[in-house]
Amino acid sequence: DQQVKQNSPSLSVQEGRISILNCDYTNSMFDYFLWYKKYPAEGPTFLISISSIKDKNEDGRFTVFLNKSAKHLSLHIVPSQPGDSAVYFCAASAKLQKGAQKLVFGQGTRLTINP
Amino acid sequence: ETGVTQTPRHLVMGMTNKKSLKCEQHLGHNAMYWYKQSAKKPLELMFVYSLEERVENNSVPSRFSPECPNSSHLFLHLHTLQPEDSALYLCASSQDRASYEQYFGPGTRLTVT
Repeated sequence: DQQVKQNSPSLSVQEGRISILNCDYTNSMFDYFLWYKKYPAEGPTFLISISSIKDKNEDGRFTVFLNKSAKHLSLHIVPSQPGDSAVYFCAASAKLQKGAQKLVFGQGTRLTINP
Repeated sequence: ETGVTQTPRHLVMGMTNKKSLKCEQHLGHNAMYWYKQSAKKPLELMFVYSLEERVENNSVPSRFSPECPNSSHLFLHLHTLQPEDSALYLCASSQDRASYEQYFGPGTRLTVT
């Protein structure tokens, strides 16, 4: 069973418009949520995170919204730029021993920004 | 070198070979992770080491054997792999739970023939 789901495998947005990427999760024990961005031939790069006790976190053009009752989070990018074209992964964090954490990832959404 | 490095970047091996993947983090972190990304599947956590002690083993077959000799280095020893083990293997590191972020290396693209 997949605990973190990104139901849209791809999304195409015009440059300058808002990109909205969605993610759903099933486990209420996750205490932090993160978004990663991945370019081909590179590892995932951390983008933005949100604690489970908050409902919004903003960093420049990127805002993450968390709806705990719906077990849903979304990433808003505005305005979208061509350099934002990449695969975006949603991840949920759970505690492990000795200060480590376990990240459970969604399948990813390929975002394409069209000029 | 900065961040998290992985070698080799690409590896082709036969099913009877033995090889090792290497990961090194230059961030002063104390936890390190191995992930596997197969085609059209999400990243799957394989192993977690914190303070050089294994704290998670996600039902990974014994043909994958991790080793963490110190907090900066992590290895994944491979032997008698199957073609379905072909995937991108990613290493990551983190520092306690201060920021919850894990920093990833570029990955090793493994092909088992």
